Amino acid sequence: AQSVSQHNHHVILSEAASLELGCNYSYGGTVNLFWYVQYPGQHLQLLLKYFSGDPLVKGIKGFEAEFIKSKFSFNLRKPSVQWSDTAEYFCAVGPYNQGGKLIFGQGTELSVKP
Amino acid sequence: DAMVIQNPRYQVTQFGKPVTLSCSQTLNHNVMYWYQQKSSQAPKLLFHYYDKDFNNEADTPDNFQSRRPNTSFCFLDIRSPGLGDAAMYLCATSVSRGQGARDTQYFGPGTRLTVL
Repeated sequence: AQSVSQHNHHVILSEAASLELGCNYSYGGTVNLFWYVQYPGQHLQLLLKYFSGDPLVKGIKGFEAEFIKSKFSFNLRKPSVQWSDTAEYFCAVGPYNQGGKLIFGQGTELSVKP
Repeated sequence: DAMVIQNPRYQVTQFGKPVTLSCSQTLNHNVMYWYQQKSSQAPKLLFHYYDKDFNNEADTPDNFQSRRPNTSFCFLDIRSPGLGDAAMYLCATSVSRGQGARDTQYFGPGTRLTVL
């Protein structure tokens, strides 16, 4: 079965710390990859996406993610987090040729202490 | 601003009493999706409309139905809500250029359904 696994349910960091959130998926075919963010009280917003090409993609607010095909991974990184990055982060996989369907991970709640 | 709107934001219903959730969009996207997100779980796709074509996920219960009367609106009907249907329901849209297209989904704020 297709699935997405996020390694951490809750991460607590101090401001200026570096962040890496893990995401692995199980699907043997071509995929589109996404990270969405949900700030408190707000809706899901796209952080970044990978469709093809350079496996290192940059998104908004200084976030980046690296697609490692051999590891079926799409980890999210930020060198220095801010208090305003406190949010829930969802990794999502869109299997190619499945009508735009997204399979989400269960999310990682990030708390940044000022 | 173009957006995805969901009404109501909070819905309380009684066990077994039909309920309808609404989604509208000003993006003019041809694809609309409904996801169910239970507490501390991943959003799970229930079904989607590709233009007027309805696509149901295999494991979506028959209790859940959907209507899309026009491009802008899509409704989620729960015919006989059970306690297990309490969740956040998310609507999303995308503009799809066909199978395998590189679509980004845009989400509404969600409707939180409580079943008493």
